[in-house]
Amino acid sequence: RKEVEQDPGPFNVPEGATVAFNCTYSNSASQSFFWYRQDCRKEPKLLMSVYSSGNEDGRFTAQLNRASQYISLLIRDSKLSDSATYLCVVNKPGTASKLTFGTGTRLQVTL
Amino acid sequence: DVKVTQSSRYLVKRTGEKVFLECVQDMDHENMFWYRQDPGLGLRLIYFSYDVKMKEKGDIPEGYSVSREKKERFSLILESASTNQTSMYLCASSSGQGNNQPQHFGDGTRLSIL
Repeated sequence: RKEVEQDPGPFNVPEGATVAFNCTYSNSASQSFFWYRQDCRKEPKLLMSVYSSGNEDGRFTAQLNRASQYISLLIRDSKLSDSATYLCVVNKPGTASKLTFGTGTRLQVTL
Repeated sequence: DVKVTQSSRYLVKRTGEKVFLECVQDMDHENMFWYRQDPGLGLRLIYFSYDVKMKEKGDIPEGYSVSREKKERFSLILESASTNQTSMYLCASSSGQGNNQPQHFGDGTRLSIL
């Protein structure tokens, strides 16, 4: 089983739609969780950290379900500029510093 | 804002050459990382450094070495470049203080080995 698994997509949604991605992780001892965004041919950029109680940043909401070992990202009122690949990221077991990156879920927002 | 700077955006080298990729960060971060990213495989960790002169192998260290002589600089060396090392190389840094520290990436270097 992969350490971090994501549906590669693509998810094609119209502007203004709400879209959600899930990600599962294999090690129950993981403590740090993040969502990164990566545009085509660019570097990954931190979108948001994911906290146990769930957290929101504008149109973006992240949730963590430790019992089922999955993380979700909800994007409300999608914009064309949200088109990107979203990477689910989890710390490697036994270390706070090293991270495992999922292969990403591609989102395409259309007019 | 964290700034991670990689020396080249694009690089073309020949098989057998020794290749140096340089990375500098300006946030006094303890941790620095080198990854490569290939289609369908995601980011794979090559080497990691948690302090000056300290290094640790990642998931795919074969054919690579690293150097960290100063805290702000982390170099990746391809000892004898081969065509299967054609890839996007990404450097990242993170604070070593506390948990839940994200990594911050440089722009990446697209390396082609001919």
